[in-house]
Amino acid sequence: RKEVEQDPGPFNVPEGATVAFNCTYSNSASQSFFWYRQDCRKEPKLLMSVYSSGNEDGRFTAQLNRASQYISLLIRDSKLSDSATYLCAVIPWGYQKVTFGTGTKLQVIP
Amino acid sequence: DVKVTQSSRYLVKRTGEKVFLECVQDMDHENMFWYRQDPGLGLRLIYFSYDVKMKEKGDIPEGYSVSREKKERFSLILESASTNQTSMYLCASHSGQGSTDTQYFGPGTRLTVL
Repeated sequence: RKEVEQDPGPFNVPEGATVAFNCTYSNSASQSFFWYRQDCRKEPKLLMSVYSSGNEDGRFTAQLNRASQYISLLIRDSKLSDSATYLCAVIPWGYQKVTFGTGTKLQVIP
Repeated sequence: DVKVTQSSRYLVKRTGEKVFLECVQDMDHENMFWYRQDPGLGLRLIYFSYDVKMKEKGDIPEGYSVSREKKERFSLILESASTNQTSMYLCASHSGQGSTDTQYFGPGTRLTVL
């Protein structure tokens, strides 16, 4: 089993739709969680951190479910500019490497 | 803001050439990483370093070496480039052990080996 798994998609959604991605992780001793956004042929950029209490940034909401070992990203009112690949990232306790998922591709359609 | 820079955005080399990819970060981060990213395979860790002159193999170190002579600079070396090393190479830095912060990436170098 991979350490971090994501559905590769693509998720094709119309503008204005709500879409959610999940990311499962296998190491129960994981400490920190993040979502990155990667545009085509560009580097991954940090989108948001994921806290135990969940966090929201505008149209984006990230949540952590430690019991089931997954994190989620919810995008409301999708915009064309949200089209990108979304990568989840996990850091285990006391560890210095980040483990990335392979990414979920989102395509928002007019 | 963390700034990670890479020496080239695009590079074309011939098989057998020695290739140097340079990465510099300006946030005094302890840890630095080199990844390659290929379609369908995601980010794969080549090497990382958690201190000057220290290095650790990642998941796919074969055919690569690294150098970290200064804290801010981490170089990836392809001793004898091969066509299967055509890829996007991404450098990243991280503040260090005990930090709950994440990694920050440079803009990437798209390497083509002919």
